[in-house]
Amino acid sequence: EAGVTQSPTHLIKTRGQQATLRCSPISGHTSVYWYQQALGLGLQFLLWYDEGEERNRGNFPPRFSGRQFPNYSSELNVNALELEDSALYLCASSLGLAESYEQYFGPGTRLTVT
Amino acid sequence: KNQVEQSPQSLIILEGKNCTLQCNYTVSPFSNLRWYKQDTGRGPVSLTIMTFSENTKSNGRYTATLDADTKQSSLHITASQLSDSASYICVVSAGGSYIPTFGRGTSLIVHP
Repeated sequence: EAGVTQSPTHLIKTRGQQATLRCSPISGHTSVYWYQQALGLGLQFLLWYDEGEERNRGNFPPRFSGRQFPNYSSELNVNALELEDSALYLCASSLGLAESYEQYFGPGTRLTVT
Repeated sequence: KNQVEQSPQSLIILEGKNCTLQCNYTVSPFSNLRWYKQDTGRGPVSLTIMTFSENTKSNGRYTATLDADTKQSSLHITASQLSDSASYICVVSAGGSYIPTFGRGTSLIVHP
């Protein structure tokens, strides 16, 4: 069974540009989560999608947005990039809405903003 | 404010030894607590998930405990192996809204 996949592996952008990160969940999983892991900091919850709808979002500005497609894959968009957006962005998927469902993480996208 | 504090920040042990990692949290209302292992450059992998009513849960050489009264959890690793070298992250979820709070992790290095 294929795990969670993310693309690209690495992404280099300049300040002010937009970045688009993509995630494909495990087959059969309907929930997708996005997290930011900045260097030296813990993971921070960004967004949660299930069945195409945004279920919750963390304490991030509106320039962090995303969507979930009918095939349950997801995309994270970061507009007006700032230097502090440089981080590892992790996507995870789970079977559905229940908080007890295990989350499976992808390998991450390393975003560098110069 | 919901917080998760982990200790120690880093730990070095010899192969074959046991170790215990600590997690203290102030998350309300409590839903569940998870321990993850994250190898360098990879996504976290779930080790255990515990709900309010569970005191202990094992996964091979990993045993997690939860004291909901004192809001403390520990992860005990038995007979450590070189492959246990990783960051161990404690995550506590608040009930109802699913907004997890992550600890900064404990970096474990196992030396031969």
